[in-house]
Amino acid sequence: KAGVTQTPRYLIKTRGQQVTLSCSPISGHRSVSWYQQTPGQGLQFLFEYFSETQRNKGNFPGRFSGRQFSNSRSEMNVSTLELGDSALYLCASTSQFNTEAFFGQGTRLTVV
Amino acid sequence: AQKITQTQPGMFVQEKEAVTLDCTYDTSDPSYGLFWYKQPSSGEMIFLIYQGSYDQQNATEGRYSLNFQKARKSANLVISASQLGDSAMYFCAMREAGFQKLVFGTGTRLLVSP
Repeated sequence: KAGVTQTPRYLIKTRGQQVTLSCSPISGHRSVSWYQQTPGQGLQFLFEYFSETQRNKGNFPGRFSGRQFSNSRSEMNVSTLELGDSALYLCASTSQFNTEAFFGQGTRLTVV
Repeated sequence: AQKITQTQPGMFVQEKEAVTLDCTYDTSDPSYGLFWYKQPSSGEMIFLIYQGSYDQQNATEGRYSLNFQKARKSANLVISASQLGDSAMYFCAMREAGFQKLVFGTGTRLLVSP
């Protein structure tokens, strides 16, 4: 059974650009959540999608957005990148009974 | 509001010994779940163990066990027979019922020495 797949693994972008990250959950999992991890702020919740609907959103500016497709794959987008957006972005896929939440390997974004 | 506290920034243990990583939590919701993750330097968050607030027994998964003390609001991770590959960051996390959002602690860096 394939795990959670995040692409790309590494990205380098320039300030002001936008970026799109992708997450494919474990087959059969319909819930996908996104997190940002930085040395200063730790792990922070971005948003959660279930059956193509955003159910919960963390305290991030509107430059951070996401969506989920009918096959449960999810994308997150960050527009007008800032240096502070440099982080490891992690995606989690949750099982039907909510007793497990599996993460992908993450996308390491560097904004220069 | 939910809060997870991990008071040990770093822990050292010798190979083959057991180690306990501390985690306390705060929530007003009677239904919640507690998770432990391992994060090696590669960055991937590896799911280790889950404990539900209504579970009667402490969770165990191989060398990992969760010492769940509900009245004290603690959910300590016990790793038995430590191995060199256990060296990593360990995060405790909580999720309240009805939500998928995980709230994480600040983590404990575990170093296993030969």
